[in-house]
Amino acid sequence: DTGVSQDPRHKITKRGQNVTFRCDPISEHNRLYWYRQTLGQGPEFLTYFQNEAQLEKSRLLSDRFSAERPKGSFSTLEIQRTEQGDSAMYLCASSLVRGNTEAFFGQGTRLTVV
Amino acid sequence: QQPVQSPQAVILREGEDAVINCSSSKALYSVHWYRQKHGEAPVFLMILLKGGEQKGHDKISASFNEKKQQSSLYLTASQLSYSGTYFCGTEMSSYDKVIFGPGTSLSVIP
Repeated sequence: DTGVSQDPRHKITKRGQNVTFRCDPISEHNRLYWYRQTLGQGPEFLTYFQNEAQLEKSRLLSDRFSAERPKGSFSTLEIQRTEQGDSAMYLCASSLVRGNTEAFFGQGTRLTVV
Repeated sequence: QQPVQSPQAVILREGEDAVINCSSSKALYSVHWYRQKHGEAPVFLMILLKGGEQKGHDKISASFNEKKQQSSLYLTASQLSYSGTYFCGTEMSSYDKVIFGPGTSLSVIP
């Protein structure tokens, strides 16, 4: 297993367009997180899943953001009608839920909205 | 609910020691420590569960004071490779999400 992979690594889009990112977690990991990170800040929690169930979505997240994890494997994060303020690095992480283990991060998808 | 980290930034010469603090206003179940180098993903360093344990590997160790809702990361005899931004992440329960602090930028110079 090569770890958490995210696709694409970079995305440039025009304001108002929809974008979708994909995350493939480590295969046996049942928990998956999405975070957003801007320059000089810590990862900001967006949402997380345990298997296919979405456990929580940040109250700061607008309705333009939606995430899915069908069949409890890969996950997608969609942003509709992108705004310039959505420009950030979107990080995915996965972990096991078994006595608390570390989360492994993917390399992230850098989104630039122009 | 975001944990607070201090200091914001620190510059060290090789061989010097540093302490990075993380505190929360809420009771904590666990504290995670990560290091992120510029342009890379955060990398896990260690996790501490409530019980006031201390952990460490190599010259990096951490403590967790459950009663004070604080954790500290200790870097001794710093090396150039220690440079990066250090984040603490906290969980309120074993089934909670991890919330990260704003980070502490550490620069080690020769």
